[in-house]
Amino acid sequence: EAAVTQSPRNKVAVTGGKVTLSCNQTNNHNNMYWYRQDTGHGLRLIHYSYGAGSTEKGDIPDGYKASRPSQENFSLILELATPSQTSVYFCASGGTGGEQYFGPGTRLTVL
Amino acid sequence: AQSVTQPDARVTVSEGASLQLRCKYSYSGTPYLFWYVQYPRQGLQLLLKYYSGDPVVQGVNGFEAEFSKSNSSFHLRKASVHWSDSAVYFCVLSAENAYKVIFGKGTHLHVLP
Repeated sequence: EAAVTQSPRNKVAVTGGKVTLSCNQTNNHNNMYWYRQDTGHGLRLIHYSYGAGSTEKGDIPDGYKASRPSQENFSLILELATPSQTSVYFCASGGTGGEQYFGPGTRLTVL
Repeated sequence: AQSVTQPDARVTVSEGASLQLRCKYSYSGTPYLFWYVQYPRQGLQLLLKYYSGDPVVQGVNGFEAEFSKSNSSFHLRKASVHWSDSAVYFCVLSAENAYKVIFGKGTHLHVLP
């Protein structure tokens, strides 16, 4: 049974539109993460959270917001989507030892 | 500064051959080290982890890795690869109690049947 799930799995959005990517974890981990993966860049950290109500900027936060309303849920919000945000987005949960568990990814295309 | 280097972007081996994927890290403290595998169109899956103790750690599917403090390395090995091992492998570094981790760029492994 998948412990980290993401929705939607695929999304096509228009430039300037709002996009919300959702993540749910059943690992009871305090930490959650949003990454994007692009060819030539590997995984890059966008936002992370160390508990309900907290969000922190990662390495590339510009153009993204995050929300952690509960231990289980962590959302990534693109208020004004741009074509440069076309990517595959991964959510992960983890404890304090650095071990992370990843979701299956969301493929986002911004036209 | 912390960093992870996977010097081989792509490795090709024949099925049944042995495998070593290299990983070098830079960190002044005690590192926590991980190897993840990513199959096409999937998320990353944890293969194995090292926190302390025996420098050789066993993972899933016959993979193992050896930590070397003197060489700042954490190489991944497998005695006999299968075509299904074809994937991208990431070496990852974390510091104790750190929220963030450092990813290597990944090594694409292609196993010839």
